Amino acid sequence: EAGVVQSPRYKIIEKKQPVAFWCNPISGHNTLYWYRQNLGQGPELLIRYENEEAVDDSQLPKDRFSAERLKGVDSTLKIQPAELGDSAVYLCASRHRDTDTQYFGPGTRLTVL
Amino acid sequence: SQQGEEDPQALSIQEGENATMNCSYKTSINNLQWYRQNSGRGLVHLILIRSNEREKHSGRLRVTLDTSKKSSSLLITASRAADTASYFCAKAEGANSKLTFGKGITLSVRP
Repeated sequence: EAGVVQSPRYKIIEKKQPVAFWCNPISGHNTLYWYRQNLGQGPELLIRYENEEAVDDSQLPKDRFSAERLKGVDSTLKIQPAELGDSAVYLCASRHRDTDTQYFGPGTRLTVL
Repeated sequence: SQQGEEDPQALSIQEGENATMNCSYKTSINNLQWYRQNSGRGLVHLILIRSNEREKHSGRLRVTLDTSKKSSSLLITASRAADTASYFCAKAEGANSKLTFGKGITLSVRP
């Protein structure tokens, strides 16, 4: 079974530029999560989707961050414009409705210069 | 905020020794999960223990949960160099079992 796929793996941009991350969850997993992990810290939830509906986006900085999960499968997370403090690893995870286990992708390491 | 606090922050042991990592939390939980993260990689789920369970085993892993003390321990027996990684405890709370991660424990196993 294929795991959670994320791309790109690495991204370097200058501040004020836009950036987008893509996630393909495990087939059949209806719940999708985006986390941000700062260096030396654990992941922090940005947004959770149940199918195509964003049901918890309380931690998403909505002035510059946006996300979508069209058709309830793949998801994209966008930052526009990026700031220096956005440098982090952005992790996507998915979960099947019958389990509490979340499966994580390898993450996208974003560096904002 | 991160409420899954792990202890110690870093641990260095010799291959073959046991590694014990602790996690404390502040609020009621549905379950507590331990994850491993190798450098530059995503998180890998290790084990889940529910709030009504006290101990679980999975291979060389043993996790305990003491809800009265709001703490959990992860024991890795007969450690291997490949166990070198960061370990995170994550509390699942609320109706949707939202996960809150701690800062992680860095484990180094010397060959």
